[in-house]
Amino acid sequence: EVPLVESGGGLVQPGGSLRLSCAASGFSFSNYWMSWVRQAPGKGLEWVANINQNENEKYYVDSVKGRFTISRDNAQNLLSLQMNSLRAEDTAMYYCAREGGPIDCWGQGTLVTVSS
Amino acid sequence: QLVLTQLPSASASLGASVKLTCTLSSGHSSYGIAWHQQQPEKGPRYLMTVKSDGSHNKGDGIPDRFSGSSSGAERYLIISSLQSEDEADYYCQTWGTGIHVVFGGGTKLTVL
Repeated sequence: EVPLVESGGGLVQPGGSLRLSCAASGFSFSNYWMSWVRQAPGKGLEWVANINQNENEKYYVDSVKGRFTISRDNAQNLLSLQMNSLRAEDTAMYYCAREGGPIDCWGQGTLVTVSS
Repeated sequence: QLVLTQLPSASASLGASVKLTCTLSSGHSSYGIAWHQQQPEKGPRYLMTVKSDGSHNKGDGIPDRFSGSSSGAERYLIISSLQSEDEADYYCQTWGTGIHVVFGGGTKLTVL
C-alpha cells in the first residue's frame, strides 16, 4: 500500500488554476503536519507549503504566497493544494510529504506544466 | 536564516565507501537533519535522520550500508559497499518552528 498518492496535475495556461490532491492511507493522517514540495525540471527540491494537524497553522514559500492555498480534510485523509494565477516558473513535479519531525514519507508526485 | 550547503557532486567506485556532507549555516549547529535519496526518474525516498550528537534513525527498509554521523555543524551520510543503484541525488533537509522545511541543494553521486 502506497501511503501518499497525488493527483490533479496537468497542463495549464499561464494565469490558470489547478487543484492538487494527496490521498493518505496506512497511517494516522490527522496526527501529522503535511507538506507540498516541488521540483522544477533538472532542479533540486523546493518546499512549497505546509499545514499543521488542525489547519490553524499554514505556511508558504514567498514565491507562492497569495496564489496557493494548502488545506486538508482529516475525515477523508486528504491533503490539497489550490494553485491560482499559475506562472511558467511553477512548472514542476509536485510531491506530497508527511512531516514526522523531518519529512519521513513521500508521494510519487504529480506533474504540473504551465505553458501556453 | 538557516541554509544547508552540499557539494554539487561526488563520485566513488563500485564496492567502495563514500561520505556525503551537509553543512548547517552559522548559529544552527544544534539542528538535526534528514537525508533523502532520489534515484534517476524517481521520487525522493527518506533515508534517515541524523542528530547533532551523531545518532541516527533510519527509515523502514534502508540497508545497513547506509549510516549517518555528525561533527559540529556538519552532518554526514556514509554509504559503504557502494552499489550501482546508489547512484542518485542526495538531499539533506531540516525543519523547525519558524524555519519550516529547508533543503540543501543536493549532491549528485556517481558510482564509477
